[in-house]
Amino acid sequence: EAQVTQNPRYLITVTGKKLTVTCSQNMNHEYMSWYRQDPGLGLRQIYYSMNVEVTDKGDVPEGYKVSRKEKRNFPLILESPSPNQTSLYFCASSLGGGRWTDTQYFGPGTRLTVL
Amino acid sequence: QQQVKQSPQSLIVQKGGISIINCAYENTAFDYFPWYQQFPGKGPALLIAIRPDVSEKKEGRFTISFNKSAKQFSLHIMDSQPGDSATYFCAASNSGNTPLVFGKGTRLSVIA
Repeated sequence: EAQVTQNPRYLITVTGKKLTVTCSQNMNHEYMSWYRQDPGLGLRQIYYSMNVEVTDKGDVPEGYKVSRKEKRNFPLILESPSPNQTSLYFCASSLGGGRWTDTQYFGPGTRLTVL
Repeated sequence: QQQVKQSPQSLIVQKGGISIINCAYENTAFDYFPWYQQFPGKGPALLIAIRPDVSEKKEGRFTISFNKSAKQFSLHIMDSQPGDSATYFCAASNSGNTPLVFGKGTRLSVIA
């Protein structure tokens, strides 16, 4: 089944404790992206990647890191989480190749709480 | 700077009624306008999309209307059903240059 998977689905952590949210897709998509969803603010892009070893900042990149060492994986790293990073996070992927009209396929989401 | 403004923030519609969600954009270079639907506990999924060379696109009960001169586009859900209750996001992109930018979302509740 073609899908985007994220792990963990739920995470409660404390301020300053480094964490990684994994994202993997099995559709051989070139483009991958991370969003955060907050009430009243909608979906805001954190980082995106056009292909392996190519990443770019989205609208809200502060406090986050990403890497794209393999085509299928795009982990989101919070090196020192803070309470304002409490949010619902989505990973997405699409065929890419510079075609921004491709359908984006979203993962099921990761609900993160930083105490 | 909010590039895509979506309204209303929430909407309650009677079963069988018409749901209308509006979006306005500022960047005249945008040339791709999708709508995504998100059910509770799920990720968003593409519902319907339009390019500015047409003024309307219909898929079943869902219609996008596009007004290029006004820089506005809207989603119409005809004969709304309780199963349509979800959050709807409009989005826009410049297909050659920029990733999708999303509106803030509209939470639709269809009541029987």
